[in-house]
Amino acid sequence: AQSVTQPDIHITVSEGASLELRCNYSYGATPYLFWYVQSPGQGLQLLLKYFSGDTLVQGIKGFEAEFKRSQSSFNLRKPSVHWSDAAEYFCAVGENTGNQFYFGTGTSLTVIP
Amino acid sequence: DVKVTQSSRYLVKRTGEKVFLECVQDMDHENMFWYRQDPGLGLRLIYFSYDVKMKEKGDIPEGYSVSREKKERFSLILESASTNQTSMYLCASSLGLAGVGSYEQYFGPGTRLTVT
Repeated sequence: AQSVTQPDIHITVSEGASLELRCNYSYGATPYLFWYVQSPGQGLQLLLKYFSGDTLVQGIKGFEAEFKRSQSSFNLRKPSVHWSDAAEYFCAVGENTGNQFYFGTGTSLTVIP
Repeated sequence: DVKVTQSSRYLVKRTGEKVFLECVQDMDHENMFWYRQDPGLGLRLIYFSYDVKMKEKGDIPEGYSVSREKKERFSLILESASTNQTSMYLCASSLGLAGVGSYEQYFGPGTRLTVT
C-alpha cells in the first residue's frame, strides 16, 4: 500500500541555519512527489513537485528537494532558514494512475532567533 | 491564480445536527477532494469527485457524504454530527487527468469544525 513517512514530528533550527526535512515513501511505480507548507490557521500551499527528469527540483521561497529512488526519499532542504519559514510541512505522494494523494503526518518547524 | 474557497473558517455545531461544508473552486477543475486534518495524523482523504455527480470514497468515508451537482462546487455533509468529527476540514481541487501537470492539488483555507 502507498504510504508516506515523515520521521521528524518537530524540528527546531536557528535562523540562518540550514534545514533538511525528511520524507520517505512507499509506492510501487514511479511516484509523483510533492511538498506543501501550512502556516498556522491556513490551508496548504505547494512548495515544489517532482514528476520526472532532474531529480533535484527547485521550489518557491528558496526550497529545493531531491528525489532518490534507491532510498525512496524526497527530502526538502533550504540553505538558510528565515523566521517566516516556521510552519508545518507535509510531504505527499500522488498516484500516477489516478488522483489520490497520500500525505505524511507532517513536520512542525520552529525557527529561533 | 487558482482560488478554492470554503464557506466557513470556524463552525460550532451540536451533536446530532446535520452539517454542510461548502467548497467552491474557480478554475474549472475536474477533481475535488475533502480531507480532514488531525494532529499527528496528517491529512486523511474522506471523499473525492472526478466529475459532476461522480464520487469516490477515500480512506475515512464513514459518517460523511458528499454532493457535487455543479463542477465548481463540492459539498461535504455530516448527516448526524458527532464529537469525534471535531476537526479541521480541508477542500482541494486539481485540474484532472489531462496530464502530469494536472495532479497538483490546490487547497482552500480550511474549516475548523467543533461538535459539542
